[in-house]
Amino acid sequence: DAGVTQSPTHLIKTRGQQVTLRCSPISGHKSVSWYQQVLGQGPQFIFQYYEKEERGRGNFPDRFSARQFPNYSSELNVNALLLGDSALYLCASSFGDLPPDTQYFGPGTRLTVL
Amino acid sequence: AQSVSQHNHHVILSEAASLELGCNYSYGGTVNLFWYVQYPGQHLQLLLKYFSGDPLVKGIKGFEAEFIKSKFSFNLRKPSVQWSDTAEYFCAVIGSGNNNDMRFGAGTRLTVKP
Repeated sequence: DAGVTQSPTHLIKTRGQQVTLRCSPISGHKSVSWYQQVLGQGPQFIFQYYEKEERGRGNFPDRFSARQFPNYSSELNVNALLLGDSALYLCASSFGDLPPDTQYFGPGTRLTVL
Repeated sequence: AQSVSQHNHHVILSEAASLELGCNYSYGGTVNLFWYVQYPGQHLQLLLKYFSGDPLVKGIKGFEAEFIKSKFSFNLRKPSVQWSDTAEYFCAVIGSGNNNDMRFGAGTRLTVKP
């Protein structure tokens, strides 16, 4: 079975640019969550989407936005990139929108902002 | 606010030594607890989880964890580590009814010397 997939694997952008990251959940999973993992820290929750609706948002600025498509795949958009946005962006999928449920993580997209 | 503390930043052990990684969380309600592992160059994988029931949970690769509600702890243990256990270990918590906002600890890097 295919796990969570993310694209691209790596991305290099400059300050002020915009970036779109993509995620495909495990087949049958309807919920996608996005996390940011800065080097040396644990992942931080950015968004959760379930059935195309935003169900949760972490403490991130409005420059961060996301959406979920009818096939449950998702995109994370970050506008006006800052150096501090350099991180590994993780996508996780789960079947439902509420705990108890298990989230399965993708390999991540490594974003470098120069 | 929910938070997770992992006591050890970096643990170095010899093969066959016993392992215990500490994890404490701060949350007043019902919690769901997880340990994830990130092997070098790989994505986050679920080691084990606790939702309810027996507070001693067993996971993959001989790992186990004990939920002690009175101590707000969920420590990870393994009686005899192997070189292949070298990885980063993350404790995580979700409060019930709190969408999928999973809070992670900062992680513990485990190095097992052959």
